Amino acid sequence: DTGVSQDPRHKITKRGQNVTFRCDPISEHNRLYWYRQTLGQGPEFLTYFQNEAQLEKSRLLSDRFSAERPKGSFSTLEIQRTEQGDSAMYLCAWGEGNEQFFGPGTRLTVL
Amino acid sequence: DQQVKQNSPSLSVQEGRISILNCDYTNSMFDYFLWYKKYPAEGPTFLISISSIKDKNEDGRFTVFLNKSAKHLSLHIVPSQPGDSAVYFCAASALSGAGSYQLTFGKGTKLSVIP
Repeated sequence: DTGVSQDPRHKITKRGQNVTFRCDPISEHNRLYWYRQTLGQGPEFLTYFQNEAQLEKSRLLSDRFSAERPKGSFSTLEIQRTEQGDSAMYLCAWGEGNEQFFGPGTRLTVL
Repeated sequence: DQQVKQNSPSLSVQEGRISILNCDYTNSMFDYFLWYKKYPAEGPTFLISISSIKDKNEDGRFTVFLNKSAKHLSLHIVPSQPGDSAVYFCAASALSGAGSYQLTFGKGTKLSVIP
């Protein structure tokens, strides 16, 4: 048990469609991170929340991506007008100091 | 520019022997280092970490060594077990101005432990 669940675990969509992923920390954690992992690469940082505030965004997070964390609990990551290059594993993690603990991820396939 | 490098894409080790996974970094601002283990279709699982003020940290069969002057760290697994077969990621962090400890990962090393 990593302390965070993600939904859905798998998503297949057609190019141009919008998709939304959800991340639920099991107990409230102040720090929440989103990462993306493509084939053959390590995870890459996308964005960081401290409570409900989105404090940091990577340049990887284009204007088609938006993330929210209302009330500082669960978080959502939305991708608009998906492209084939968005196919990846999207990972959510909660942080305790320097350490981060990852959820199971959402595998997105864009056809 | 890859700031964290794992130069060995794969490693095969006999069961019971030592596995040594290596990682190099270039950014002097990194002050905390972590190792994660990942199975296919799952998220990374935290294994062990080390602060830049230390040169060794041990947890059971896992030991991480840090050589700051060489900007090099390694993960030792002894004895290796078949269940250790997975992809291992090295990650590094530094506190950002926004208060995040965003992680920078290497590309991973696939460890195969042969029974």
